[in-house]
Amino acid sequence: QKEVEQNSGPLSVPEGAIASLNCTYSDRVSQSFFWYRQYSGKSPELIMSIYSNGDKEDGRFTAQLNKASQYVSLLIRDSQPSDSATYLCAVRRRSQGNLIFGKGTKLSVKP
Amino acid sequence: NAGVTQTPKFRILKIGQSMTLQCTQDMNHNYMYWYRQDPGMGLKLIYYSVGAGITDKGEVPNGYNVSRSTTEDFPLRLELAAPSQTSVYFCATDYGTGGEQYFGPGTRLTVT
Repeated sequence: QKEVEQNSGPLSVPEGAIASLNCTYSDRVSQSFFWYRQYSGKSPELIMSIYSNGDKEDGRFTAQLNKASQYVSLLIRDSQPSDSATYLCAVRRRSQGNLIFGKGTKLSVKP
Repeated sequence: NAGVTQTPKFRILKIGQSMTLQCTQDMNHNYMYWYRQDPGMGLKLIYYSVGAGITDKGEVPNGYNVSRSTTEDFPLRLELAAPSQTSVYFCATDYGTGGEQYFGPGTRLTVT
């Protein structure tokens, strides 16, 4: 089983819709969770971090964490064409140290 | 405040050549990391450092070396470049307290 799994997509949504991106992880002791956005040819840009069960909202973005199900998701409300990018889920297993990345989900928002 | 900078942006190497990828940060972060990203793949950890003078291997260290003489700099050395090292290399940093990690702009390396 891969450590961090994401659907590679592409996920296509119309402009103004809600985009839902999902991620599962295998190590139950994982402690912190991150979503990065990566535009083609660019570096990963941190958009959300979440450390405890529940929802965390920041503008149009909501991260959801369910440690019992080992599942983390990212909702993007009112999707814009500028949200078209690859979204990387990353997990940190211990209290510090490197991140384990999924392969990313490619999102396409159609005008 | 430049954050995390990397040089060069692009480089083409011939098989067997060597080079050093530079990474510098002005965020006063203790931890620094080198990742590589192959097309359609997630990032894989090459080496990391928890502070000046301390480095350790990651998931894919073969063919690479690092050093950390200062808090700010964490160069990655490729010896005897091979086509399998064609990739995009990202340097990242954080405080080492479990918080957020920030990435440099990357170096795109081609070995032919």
